[in-house]
Amino acid sequence: AQSVTQLDSQVPVFEEAPVELRCNYSSSVSVYLFWYVQYPNQGLQLLLKYLSGSTLVKGINGFEAEFNKSQTSFHLRKPSVHISDTAEYFCAVSEGDSSYKLIFGSGTRLLVRP
Amino acid sequence: GAVVSQHPSRVICKSGTSVKIECRSLDFQATTMFWYRQFPKQSLMLMATSNEGSKATYEQGVEKDKFLINHASLTLSTLTVTSAHPEDSSFYICSARVGQPQHFGDGTRLSIL
Repeated sequence: AQSVTQLDSQVPVFEEAPVELRCNYSSSVSVYLFWYVQYPNQGLQLLLKYLSGSTLVKGINGFEAEFNKSQTSFHLRKPSVHISDTAEYFCAVSEGDSSYKLIFGSGTRLLVRP
Repeated sequence: GAVVSQHPSRVICKSGTSVKIECRSLDFQATTMFWYRQFPKQSLMLMATSNEGSKATYEQGVEKDKFLINHASLTLSTLTVTSAHPEDSSFYICSARVGQPQHFGDGTRLSIL
């Protein structure tokens, strides 16, 4: 069965510093990978997705992620964060079967300090 | 594009009341809609998968008679929490897709007194 692990429950970082949010998955088949952001009391907004092709994926708000099949990872990065990036970030995986189900990681709270 | 609207955003009601939550895809016809539940400071748990014109598929442990799902059209799915009790209080989020990825609504905060 597939699973998603986000190793860090919270990542504090100073404004304008770089950040990496880690995500590892386990699956026996090819997967689609996603990062979503959730602001308080809101739904999820798609940051970026990997479906196929280039392993370096660029998303909105300056975020990017790299798919590493050998390490089964899909870490999210941003070179310089803003206060407004403070939010909960979820990594998710879909096995791309006909169910299109998403399995979510436990989430990482990014806390950007001035 | 790919906007999903969820209504209402917040509901407060008495124990024993049934509550209906709507999920609409505004600018696309959704092949599938999903319903999730999120407890405070936790991740999203899939409750059920809904396809237009067919019965919803519920995840293990989700009571289908408690959480009624109707998917009447390609742009509308509803979740009805029947005879709600305080333990049903939670944040409910829907999503819709045509292909990849899923697009999420803004969620409904349900509080049962």
